[in-house]
Amino acid sequence: AQTVTQSQPEMSVQEAETVTLSCTYDTSESDYYLFWYKQPPSRQMILVIRQEAYKQQNATENRFSVNFQKAAKSFSLKISDSQLGDAAMYFCASPNFGNEKLTFGTGTRLTIIP
Amino acid sequence: GAVVSQHPSWVICKSGTSVKIECRSLDFQATTMFWYRQFPKQSLMLMATSNEGSKATYEQGVEKDKFLINHASLTLSTLTVTSAHPEDSSFYICSGVAGGNTQYFGPGTRLTVL
Repeated sequence: AQTVTQSQPEMSVQEAETVTLSCTYDTSESDYYLFWYKQPPSRQMILVIRQEAYKQQNATENRFSVNFQKAAKSFSLKISDSQLGDAAMYFCASPNFGNEKLTFGTGTRLTIIP
Repeated sequence: GAVVSQHPSWVICKSGTSVKIECRSLDFQATTMFWYRQFPKQSLMLMATSNEGSKATYEQGVEKDKFLINHASLTLSTLTVTSAHPEDSSFYICSGVAGGNTQYFGPGTRLTVL
């Protein structure tokens, strides 16, 4: 079975500081996408960032960037200049058996300390 | 990003009645949509894959006769919870697949069965 592991159930960071959320995954695919989603208290799942596995360059979206290590099957999310609005559950997701299904990790709850 | 709507956002019904939840992709066509269930403080659990013009594919353990899915057009999928019981109370989320195998999520529906 495809697995996604988020080993940090909870993280906290001071406002304006940087935090990194970790994620490891297991897939037999060679070409795939990886995703980070955030779920704030409203419970709306929001796409944060997407990484194409065949691209060596790490994806970046404003204050959000990833550290993608394909060989290690590691896909961590770095949030720079943390803001109060970043407080949410963050879920890492990887493809499931080569189709459009996703396997989600158990999530990391991020708290921003003012 | 692509936008997915879901209606209703919150529904309360009596035990034994049926409830229909609509999921619409507003600015893209979604050949594939997914339905998830989320329990409090847990990750998303995939219930079924909805494909336009064909029967839905259900995950193991999901009763297809209880959770009826119809994907009548490229922008609309519906989930009907038939003969709902209190144990069906949950948060239901749909997603539509856009480019790059990327899922965009609806805001979710909170179902409470009395």
